[in-house]
Amino acid sequence: EVQLVESGGGSVQPGGSLRLSCATSGFTFSDYWMHWVRQAPGKGPVWVSRIISDGSSASYADFVKGRFTISRDNAKNTLYLQMNSLRVEDTAVYYCVRDERYAPSRWGQGTLVSVSS
Amino acid sequence: QSALTQPRSVSGSPGQSVTISCTGTSSDVGTYNYVSWYQQRPGKAPKLMISDVTQRPSGVPDRFSGSKSGNTASLTVSGLQAEDEADYYCCSYAGSYTWVFGGGTKLTVL
Repeated sequence: EVQLVESGGGSVQPGGSLRLSCATSGFTFSDYWMHWVRQAPGKGPVWVSRIISDGSSASYADFVKGRFTISRDNAKNTLYLQMNSLRVEDTAVYYCVRDERYAPSRWGQGTLVSVSS
Repeated sequence: QSALTQPRSVSGSPGQSVTISCTGTSSDVGTYNYVSWYQQRPGKAPKLMISDVTQRPSGVPDRFSGSKSGNTASLTVSGLQAEDEADYYCCSYAGSYTWVFGGGTKLTVL
């Protein structure tokens, strides 16, 4: 069974940092491009970042560029998102998402990041 | 990119059909046949219902169908059932390996 399990969310003050992890199982992780997508309360999902299957290339939405870093460890079947200089507007549930034919095919259950003073 | 435009809410009685629209631009929906639809229940992750505009993953009832014309994609739910009540989101590939999503539509089964 395909599983994606996020962790690492929590409450942090503006300017703080968090590292999200996404442990995967049930599929060959190293075969897939992976993404982070976030969803603020009551809003639609928003694409944040993606990384190709071997980890050699990544891209970011403009609103996180220079602050967030996506990475992966294919030996551990795990995806990461290092989030620095967090802002109030980064508050959202962050989902780890598997890319399949240019679509978000499988989603984790999400982890909540709350940024407030 | 700007979010895709969806109606905030739609409703229908059991057994009826409803259609949810998703309007984008020539940079996303109008160019790529990579439109997908998701069902999300409160507190849960989105679930893929339609991919590649019209394709239903295994396990999704054939009451759900997708289509596209120009810059607008649509999700139709036929034979509405109480369990279909949820939020629905569209998503389109937007080039450069990025995605753009809709703001969501709340489907109410009366």
